[in-house]
Amino acid sequence: EAGVTQSPRYAVLQEGQAVSFWCDPISGHDTLYWYQQPRDQGPQLLVYFRDEAVIDNSQLPSDRFSAVRPKGTNSTLKIQSAKQGDTATYLCASRDWGLYEQYFGPGTRLTVL
Amino acid sequence: QQQVRQSPQSLTVWEGETAILNCSYEDSTFNYFPWYQQFPGEGPALLISISSVSDKKEDGRFTIFFNKREKKLSLHITDSQPGDSATYFCAASRDNYAQGLTFGLGTRVSVFP
Repeated sequence: EAGVTQSPRYAVLQEGQAVSFWCDPISGHDTLYWYQQPRDQGPQLLVYFRDEAVIDNSQLPSDRFSAVRPKGTNSTLKIQSAKQGDTATYLCASRDWGLYEQYFGPGTRLTVL
Repeated sequence: QQQVRQSPQSLTVWEGETAILNCSYEDSTFNYFPWYQQFPGEGPALLISISSVSDKKEDGRFTIFFNKREKKLSLHITDSQPGDSATYFCAASRDNYAQGLTFGLGTRVSVFP
């Protein structure tokens, strides 16, 4: 069974540019999470979905961040007008709503110059 | 305030020794506690987990000890191997509405042959 896949694996951009991250969860997992992991820290929840519905987006750091999951499968996280403070690894995770375990993808390492 | 705390920040053991990683939490409503292992450049991988109704969970060389009254838990890695060298994260969640995980800052473990 394929795990969580993410693309791109790396992104480097200048301040003010926009970037999108894409996530394909494990097949059959209805719940999808996005986390931000700054260097040398633990992941921090940004937003999560059940199917196509946003359950909690209160941890998105600003209105420059947005996330969608239009068909309840793949998801896209977008940062408008990136800042140096957005430099981090962005992780996607998925789970079955009825089970506890969350499984993470490899992440996208973002560097904002 | 960090809701999940881990100690030590880093730990060095010799091959064959037991590594002990500590974790404590603030919120008594947390009821699920997974440990994740993360290698550089990869996403966190679920290692072992415990729910608040148990006081011990064992899986091969990895054991969680859980003290609900003191809001503390520990991960014991017996017969440590060089391949166990990684960062280990303690996490916690309340499983209402499949909430996201709250992570600690991690413990970096180095195992020398």
